[in-house]
Amino acid sequence: AQKVTQAQTEISVVEKEDVTLDCVYETRDTTYYLFWYKQPPSGELVFLIRRNSFDEQNEISGRYSWNFQKSTSSFNFTITASQVVDSAVYFCALSEAGNNNDMRFGAGTRLTVKP
Amino acid sequence: DAGVIQSPRHEVTEMGQEVTLRCKPISGHDYLFWYRQTMMRGLELLIYFNNNVPIDDSGMPEDRFSAKMPNASFSTLKIQPSEPRDSAVYFCASSLFSGTGNTGELFFGEGSRLTVL
Repeated sequence: AQKVTQAQTEISVVEKEDVTLDCVYETRDTTYYLFWYKQPPSGELVFLIRRNSFDEQNEISGRYSWNFQKSTSSFNFTITASQVVDSAVYFCALSEAGNNNDMRFGAGTRLTVKP
Repeated sequence: DAGVIQSPRHEVTEMGQEVTLRCKPISGHDYLFWYRQTMMRGLELLIYFNNNVPIDDSGMPEDRFSAKMPNASFSTLKIQPSEPRDSAVYFCASSLFSGTGNTGELFFGEGSRLTVL
């Protein structure tokens, strides 16, 4: 079965600092999808991005950017100029096309941005 | 459009009681997932359905847990009898994988926080 590892349990930064959240995955499938979700203190899970295994282009969305590298099986997430509102738990997830699309999540990284 | 709707939002019960959690997925979605979130184990996939049919229930912890999806707009997760270690937040999510143009993302409900005393 697929596996997602988020080695950073907690990260604390000061506002305006850049921060990178690491995600390493394992899969035997050649077609798979990677995701990042945000869980703010209110508890809901908010979709941020999806990447398929055939698209290694990095993506930027405002202050958020994602670096997908198949060579290292990583899908890292960077927040530029962090803000207090970015404080949340961030989950990386993997879905295998050949495994009926069930999605497995990493343990999450708790990001605290201090003013 | 309404998102995934879960009920109840909070449930406090005593050990041994039956608990039923409910979920209404987004209309038109063909996959439905039940996850459990705890501090110790994070987000765990319990079971998921495709077109109302259970596909993988290997994550269901014990026979005390059961899930049904009688139709495309409703699913239940039942725990009978409940135990204190079942205390967690239970999330329901739905997704659309068939067809083109979808992102395959899961849309989550707000969760049902269960406390078993």
